[in-house]
Amino acid sequence: DIQMTQSPSTLSASVGDRVTITCRASRSISSWLAWYQQKPGKAPKVLIYKASNLESGVPSRFSGSGSGTEFTLTISSLQPDDFATYYCQQYNDYSSGTFGQGTKVEIK
Amino acid sequence: QLQLQESGPGLVKPSETLSLTCTVSGGSVSSTNYFWGWIRQPPGKGLEYIACISYSGYNYYNPSLKSRVTMSVDTSKNQFSLKLSSVTAADTAVYYCARLNPYYYGSGTKYYFDYWGQGTLVTVSS
Repeated sequence: DIQMTQSPSTLSASVGDRVTITCRASRSISSWLAWYQQKPGKAPKVLIYKASNLESGVPSRFSGSGSGTEFTLTISSLQPDDFATYYCQQYNDYSSGTFGQGTKVEIK
Repeated sequence: QLQLQESGPGLVKPSETLSLTCTVSGGSVSSTNYFWGWIRQPPGKGLEYIACISYSGYNYYNPSLKSRVTMSVDTSKNQFSLKLSSVTAADTAVYYCARLNPYYYGSGTKYYFDYWGQGTLVTVSS
């Protein structure tokens, strides 16, 4: 099975900060990675697919990069609506479709 | 606008079978383009992929759950379903249904979750 590891687990930041979250795969997944945002009590929402493609309707302050085993999600200028938990997910192998453990972005 | 809605019992006894249905509106489970899937999230924890299925019944199951999972599609009702047998307290979670959107490339197709249901809490307890 492919394991996905996110860092950090928690991130404290202020409005306007540039924020970066890292996701590492236990073996190469090419660019088959998605990023999701989840707010308390809500379903996840896709932000990025194929590592760097912005889902329709998602603000351009979100961006993704990486390939192989290392990936990043960047929020260029954190907004109040962005405080949430973020998950990466590999879909190279969708018999498992593994998610990372999540990164909670908190208000500093 | 595509919408998905989970339904099923909120309480299941240990050793019994958990059964959930996802009703799709604003789209068709018969579409050849998409897969349909289930994900769960134990209270306060992260997301776990369970399984996915195409309209024709082609499926992928998480190896860690494969022996207990069955998915099916009912095109006449525009629904797909999940059965998880021999449940324990560890299966207590919010269960989400979702659509898998295709990305076509030279040698095939890969799928990611784009539309999700609101989720339903299933508690396993006697």
